[in-house]
Amino acid sequence: DAGVIQSPRHEVTEMGQEVTLRCKPISGHNSLFWYRQTMMRGLELLIYFNNNVPIDDSGMPEDRFSAKMPNASFSTLKIQPSEPRDSAVYFCASSYAGRGFSGNTIYFGEGSWLTVV
Amino acid sequence: SQQGEEDPQALSIQEGENATMNCSYKTSINNLQWYRQNSGRGLVHLILIRSNEREKHSGRLRVTLDTSKKSSSLLITASRAADTASYFCATSAYSGAGSYQLTFGKGTKLSVIP
Repeated sequence: DAGVIQSPRHEVTEMGQEVTLRCKPISGHNSLFWYRQTMMRGLELLIYFNNNVPIDDSGMPEDRFSAKMPNASFSTLKIQPSEPRDSAVYFCASSYAGRGFSGNTIYFGEGSWLTVV
Repeated sequence: SQQGEEDPQALSIQEGENATMNCSYKTSINNLQWYRQNSGRGLVHLILIRSNEREKHSGRLRVTLDTSKKSSSLLITASRAADTASYFCATSAYSGAGSYQLTFGKGTKLSVIP
């Protein structure tokens, strides 16, 4: 099992640039999550999808952030334009739930380390 | 807002000693989970305890849950240097629309000194 695959692992970009983070969930999982981790705020849920449909995006900081899941095996998180305060580790995670996220174990990728200068 | 709050924030022990971490939460939960994060890596699931369970074991891990006090503890027995990591509790609670949300605390940073 390849696990959740994220890319890029590390990205350094200049303020104002567009950043796209990518995620391939575990095959067969139907729930996908994007989390952001910082020292100050800990691990925050940004958005989660169930069966490719966004269910809860209340954690998305502002309109500069957007997420898509065009199919069951791929999701993107986009930041446009990026700002220094967006510097964080962004985790994608996936889980299997019969109908909606049922609080089961979720499996994390290794994260995308974003630095905006 | 954070549902689970771990205590202590940091813990340093000698190899071979036991490590105990606590988690408190505020609302009713479906289950509570513990995850470990090694430096520079993603979180890895350790153990899940359901709201109707009081204790669960997995290898050197022992988790307890007291729903009346809204608290849980994670005990790692006979710690090893490889146990050095951050440990997070995550609470699963109903969030409406037939779905649950998993909310993480800020973690306890455990250092095991060889």
